[in-house]
Amino acid sequence: KNEVEQSPQNLTAQEGEFITINCSYSVGISALHWLQQHPGGGIVSLFMLSSGKKKHGRLIATINIQEKHSSLHITASHPRDSAVYICAVCRNNAGNMLTFGGGTRLMVKP
Amino acid sequence: EPEVTQTPSHQVTQMGQEVILRCVPISNHLYFYWYRQILGQKVEFLVSFYNNEISEKSEIFDDRFSVERPDGSNFTLKIRSTKLEDSAMYFCASIKTSGTVGQYFGPGTRLTVT
Repeated sequence: KNEVEQSPQNLTAQEGEFITINCSYSVGISALHWLQQHPGGGIVSLFMLSSGKKKHGRLIATINIQEKHSSLHITASHPRDSAVYICAVCRNNAGNMLTFGGGTRLMVKP
Repeated sequence: EPEVTQTPSHQVTQMGQEVILRCVPISNHLYFYWYRQILGQKVEFLVSFYNNEISEKSEIFDDRFSVERPDGSNFTLKIRSTKLEDSAMYFCASIKTSGTVGQYFGPGTRLTVT
């Protein structure tokens, strides 16, 4: 069983829609990361969370440590948000080593 | 804004050869990482490096792999005796301090082993 599971694997939305991507993990963690991978392959770090909620522009990330679950929300989605969104966790006692989810491929249509 | 750079962007090599992938992390960063992503698969951690030594490494990072920070700026990944299954995108990342912010990723080097 994968330690980090994301859902959905693929998501198509219309411009302007509110989008939610989910991440569940089965191990104890010290932090959770949300990353964005562009079609060309480049990776950008969006958030690092250990509790609560963070917001940056139209992006919101939340984490529930008790339920081992995190969500990434995109408000007022735009075609430029089309990318693969990846959840990754720092497991307890594993230093800075990240364990990655399989990613959610998002396509936002105009 | 400072960024992590990687060279080359694409490397083609024959099976059995040695390759060196180069990364220039952000100048005041102290923690360095290599990851790989086989086409169509998830990103996988290879190794982390701090204070001139390996902090953690994964099972993928076998004795054919090595890392080095030869001159205080470059951070290299060497793969000896390359195999077909080493073909992947390799990403370098760095951070200034551990556990505070997300990692800064380089654009990646696509390695093709033929």
